[in-house]
Amino acid sequence: AQTVTQSQPEMSVQEAETVTLSCTYDTSESDYYLFWYKQPPSRQMILVIRQEAYKQQNATENRFSVNFQKAAKSFSLKISDSQLGDAAMYFCACQTGNQFYFGTGTSLTVIP
Amino acid sequence: DGGITQSPKYLFRKEGQNVTLSCEQNLNHDAMYWYRQDPGQGLRLIYYSQIVNDFQKGDIAEGYSVSREKKESFPLTVTSAQKNPTAFYLCASSTLKVVGATEAFFGQGTRLTVV
Repeated sequence: AQTVTQSQPEMSVQEAETVTLSCTYDTSESDYYLFWYKQPPSRQMILVIRQEAYKQQNATENRFSVNFQKAAKSFSLKISDSQLGDAAMYFCACQTGNQFYFGTGTSLTVIP
Repeated sequence: DGGITQSPKYLFRKEGQNVTLSCEQNLNHDAMYWYRQDPGQGLRLIYYSQIVNDFQKGDIAEGYSVSREKKESFPLTVTSAQKNPTAFYLCASSTLKVVGATEAFFGQGTRLTVV
């Protein structure tokens, strides 16, 4: 079975600062993909960033980047220059086959 | 615009009643999913389907039923057998993974409340 663990139920960051959200996963599959989704107060799930497990290079999307440590099965999300609009619930997910497994989420508060 | 539409946004049900949540997508995706979201528990898979007229149970299928008569549609029925149906329900779809990642696209969700 696949499991995804987010150990930080809540995090806060000062506007313009950097914050890192943690995620660990467990899978016996060799072919898998990792995602971070954002769920703002509207509750619409939005893809933030994805990482192919076979790629060593960490994915980056503008202010969002990941630190993918395959051996440690760790997949953290770094948000740089935090903005008020970044305030949301963030979910880490692992895809194996055609299944998606989600963590329990981290609620991020951005302090003006 | 392509996307996934869930309706209604809010739904109230009396105890003992069945209720059906609608999910329609025009993304031409083969796979569709239903998730239940409760505070502190993330997204838990109820049912998923990869092809018309076929679907599989997820981790928490008891008290729920689905159908997949059309590629575009994947309605979820919450039956009276579901003991604690009050929750936020999310429908998602994706292409079938052959090579590479296939992200899940989500609807806006339905908030079901039992009164």
